[in-house]
Amino acid sequence: NAGVMQNPRHLVRRRGQEARLRCSPMKGHSHVYWYRQLPEEGLKFMVYLQKENIIDESGMPKERFSAEFPKEGPSILRIQQVVRGDSAAYFCASSPLVGQGGLYEQYFGPGTRLTVT
Amino acid sequence: AQKVTQAQTEISVVEKEDVTLDCVYETRDTTYYLFWYKQPPSGELVFLIRRNSFDEQNEISGRYSWNFQKSTSSFNFTITASQVVDSAVYFCALSEANTGNQFYFGTGTSLTVIP
Repeated sequence: NAGVMQNPRHLVRRRGQEARLRCSPMKGHSHVYWYRQLPEEGLKFMVYLQKENIIDESGMPKERFSAEFPKEGPSILRIQQVVRGDSAAYFCASSPLVGQGGLYEQYFGPGTRLTVT
Repeated sequence: AQKVTQAQTEISVVEKEDVTLDCVYETRDTTYYLFWYKQPPSGELVFLIRRNSFDEQNEISGRYSWNFQKSTSSFNFTITASQVVDSAVYFCALSEANTGNQFYFGTGTSLTVIP
């Protein structure tokens, strides 16, 4: 029973390039969340998606960052024109359902460590 | 304002000692969930426990125990008879039922168990 898959695990980009991070949720999960962990810090929420829908992007930087979760295929977090400050670990999490007045724990992937040189 | 505070940045203990990791949270919701995650040196996040705001019963799982106190807004985590494999960063997190599904994470406590 595969868990949340993220690839690549490590990504190196030069300033100005684009970074694409992929996340495949656990089987049966239709909710995906992206978090960013800057060095020596906790995880910060970026965006919450369901298939073909962005539900909450309140944590996404206004520029250069975008996310999608298409009907088929993994969720993609895209960072255009990367800068050194984008260097971080990016975690994806998935959950099966959001119940009325409650939720299920989020299962985290192993993360993608982005280094911008 | 920080919703989850983990005041202990780093803790070192000698193997077999007990250690308590503190977590204080802040929320106005009456329905919320608290979590602990472990992040070993390899970097992945390992789910440890979830509690909802209506269940203040303390929980024990092997060497791990959790003390949920609504009166002090705390959800502390104790490791009994610590082992070297417990060395990791531990994160406390909060999710509020009425404000979306995002998790609010504390800044983590780095635990080092010295053999």
